[in-house]
Amino acid sequence: DIQMTQSPSSLSASVGDRVTITCRASQSISTSLSWYQQRPGKAPRLLIYAASSLQSGVPSRFSGSGSGTDFTLTISGLQPEDFAAYSCQQTYGTPYTFGQGTKLEIK
Amino acid sequence: QLQLQESGPGLVKPSDNLSLTCTVSGDSISSGSFYWDWIRQPPGKGLEWIGNIHYSGSTTYNPSLRSRVTMSVDASKNQFSLRLSSVTAADTSIYYCARHMGNRNWFDPWGQGILVTVSS
Repeated sequence: DIQMTQSPSSLSASVGDRVTITCRASQSISTSLSWYQQRPGKAPRLLIYAASSLQSGVPSRFSGSGSGTDFTLTISGLQPEDFAAYSCQQTYGTPYTFGQGTKLEIK
Repeated sequence: QLQLQESGPGLVKPSDNLSLTCTVSGDSISSGSFYWDWIRQPPGKGLEWIGNIHYSGSTTYNPSLRSRVTMSVDASKNQFSLRLSSVTAADTSIYYCARHMGNRNWFDPWGQGILVTVSS
């Protein structure tokens, strides 16, 4: 299985800040990576697919980059609704695997 | 707008079978290009992909759970289901259903999730 290592596991930031979350794959996965947002009690939401493509309806302050084994999710200009958990997922092949998640909290 | 909703018991006894259903609304489960997935998340841990099913009945399971997982689809009800046998406390999780397109292996949309606790 492809192991996905996400960091940090938690992060404190303020409204308006720029934050970056990283995800590393145990082998090259080209650009086969997606990012999700999870809010308590709500359905997980797809933010980014194919490493850098923004899902329809997702604000442009979210961006993704990377290829091979190293990937980043950047949120520029944090809004109150962005304080949530974020997870990466490799879409390279089955079994699909996820990072352990990053909890973004208000400072 | 496509919506998915999980349903089933919130409490299952150890060694019993866990059975969940995902009801799809806003589109037909028989749309040929899509696969219907189950994903779970134990409390405080990361997401784990369980497997998926195509409306034709073709399935792909996570090898770590394959011996205990069965998925099925009921196109007449626009539903698909998960059965996990011989559960233990380690199977306590929020269970999500989701959809993905055949050659695009990201999940969108997801259901809201259902917490299933395994306890006597």
